[in-house]
Amino acid sequence: ILNVEQSPQSLHVQEGDSTNFTCSFPSSNFYALHWYRWETAKSPEALFVMTLNGDEKKKGRISATLNTKEGYSYLYIKGSQPEDSATYLCAHGGATNKLIFGTGTLLAVQP
Amino acid sequence: NAGVMQNPRHLVRRRGQEARLRCSPMKGHSHVYWYRQLPEEGLKFMVYLQKENIIDESGMPKERFSAEFPKEGPSILRIQQVVRGDSAAYFCASSPGTSGRINEQFFGPGTRLTVL
Repeated sequence: ILNVEQSPQSLHVQEGDSTNFTCSFPSSNFYALHWYRWETAKSPEALFVMTLNGDEKKKGRISATLNTKEGYSYLYIKGSQPEDSATYLCAHGGATNKLIFGTGTLLAVQP
Repeated sequence: NAGVMQNPRHLVRRRGQEARLRCSPMKGHSHVYWYRQLPEEGLKFMVYLQKENIIDESGMPKERFSAEFPKEGPSILRIQQVVRGDSAAYFCASSPGTSGRINEQFFGPGTRLTVL
């Protein structure tokens, strides 16, 4: 059984701050790492899928990096805005396609 | 292109009744996944289906739960004789299929089941 862990559990920042959070996963038998953004009462929204060690992906002010050898991924948000407030989930995608999720980082951005 | 559709969005059942949750994947997607979020917990995988086939049901409780994805129509997650512990949010996701290592799954809005 894979354990996917995320930290911190929650984060409060001011508008304009840059922030980052961590997803750690077992480095053996790595297949793919997914990041999702989940706003309350909405569907989880796919942000990135990364497969290769050293991968870096960017979408607007949000970016992510991947280190498969040490088993971690970072998600960065530059210049946080109130609309970035959400839970950010990471998930390990295995060869059987099922996703194993972490418990998420709840981000609150205050104006 | 409509996203993943789930209905109902909210479902209330009394103990012992049956709950049927429906999921229509995105157009062109032939793979469906069901996940469950129990109160105060994260999303947990339940079952992975392709048309008319169950591929991986390693996360499904052994009793009372079943899933299908018929050739025509939505995928159905069925819970028989519901108990209070079944109260949770049930999410469906779909993907177009495997393409190398990338298997991006698109999620529906979930069905919130409450068992009285």
